[in-house]
Amino acid sequence: SQELEQSPQSLIVQEGKNLTINCTSSKTLYGLYWYKQKYGEGLIFLMMLQKGGEEKSHEKITAKLDEKKQQSSLHITASQPSHAGIYLCGADIAQKLVFGQGTRLTINP
Amino acid sequence: EPEVTQTPSHQVTQMGQEVILRCVPISNHLYFYWYRQILGQKVEFLVSFYNNEISEKSEIFDDQFSVERPDGSNFTLKIRSTKLEDSAMYFCASRRGLGNTIYFGEGSWLTVV
Repeated sequence: SQELEQSPQSLIVQEGKNLTINCTSSKTLYGLYWYKQKYGEGLIFLMMLQKGGEEKSHEKITAKLDEKKQQSSLHITASQPSHAGIYLCGADIAQKLVFGQGTRLTINP
Repeated sequence: EPEVTQTPSHQVTQMGQEVILRCVPISNHLYFYWYRQILGQKVEFLVSFYNNEISEKSEIFDDQFSVERPDGSNFTLKIRSTKLEDSAMYFCASRRGLGNTIYFGEGSWLTVV
């Protein structure tokens, strides 16, 4: 079965700093989703990537899917307190999403 | 913007009781899902539903679980006889078609005591 590994598992950064979260797959990714979750709340869709080399941005968040389609990275520029939460990557496999374990992001003032 | 809605947002139930969690997917969506997240753990797939039947289910989705789309708009998850380990956040999700974005509801917290 396909496994998704996210790194780091948790991240603490100072407000204003940049950060990157990685999502690595054991197999080729045919659709890679990024969601954000506030602790104990729902999943908010951020971006979906399907093509090798694809890059998408939304406000200060950029996500890329590498050419081999086995790794994706999420980059936040000039982090703000509103970016705090849990970031989840999900792979579109056999009509469903399979999720990584999540990366907990804390932003310190 | 259309959204997936779930009720109740939180339910406390006694062990052994039946629970029904309700979801209204986005109206033109055709694929429906239930996921579960035990506090502090991964979001886990339970079941997918398409064309009025289950298309896939995980090993978590045993005989205690069932899903139904009773009236063309609601999508329900029933747990027949709840156990303590069923305590979790349950998420409903839907998508228009394969390869389209999957949208999640806000979740239903289930606490079994």
